[in-house]
Amino acid sequence: NAGVTQTPKFQVLKTGQSMTLQCAQDMNHNSMYWYRQDPGMGLRLIYYSASEGTTDKGEVPNGYNVSRLNKREFSLRLESAAPSQTSVYFCASSNGLAGVGTGELFFGEGSRLTVL
Amino acid sequence: QKEVEQDPGPLSVPEGAIVSLNCTYSNSAFQYFMWYRQYSRKGPELLMYTYSSGNKEDGRFTAQVDKSSKYISLFIRDSQPSDSATYLCALDSNYQLIWGAGTKLIIKP
Repeated sequence: NAGVTQTPKFQVLKTGQSMTLQCAQDMNHNSMYWYRQDPGMGLRLIYYSASEGTTDKGEVPNGYNVSRLNKREFSLRLESAAPSQTSVYFCASSNGLAGVGTGELFFGEGSRLTVL
Repeated sequence: QKEVEQDPGPLSVPEGAIVSLNCTYSNSAFQYFMWYRQYSRKGPELLMYTYSSGNKEDGRFTAQVDKSSKYISLFIRDSQPSDSATYLCALDSNYQLIWGAGTKLIIKP
């Protein structure tokens, strides 16, 4: 009963390094999301994928890229990490597209990224 | 001005108290109102979901929406230490999903 699985859970990078956060869901959901959560800022949408084969920018896409590898997997890549990207990153999935009245998002446990 | 305002707390109350958590918003287009609960070092999980105005009750939890005042509330009765978490409101305009920053709630035994 895994739900949404994110790897890695923790990562420390130096400025300029690249890395990929992996996300997989086993609920057969169509839509997947990447959020970042910073103190006092709430959840901010980075990118989302409404369905397999599509990706779209969210509120804060700069400095990130995504790949919807298949229906289960959605990865987030930082090409050249910056200290401003220090955050907790959450992957989520839903059956319909969030923001159109379809209700529940299912979240992973988060990936804590520090960029020095 | 943020579209959704939520007091970050922390809000500390004794066990058994009635807790009131609130969000205010500015966009009258919001139609769906959700409360998510987030335990420390975990992802958020949906607690309650309300469409339009009115109240919805689920056990010790009641969600209330006042669209005329652009104000939503979550009430917790007979609060328990296990209710200690951050509570996030999320508002859905049928176009986009906007999150409050979350209120940290501490229930003291």
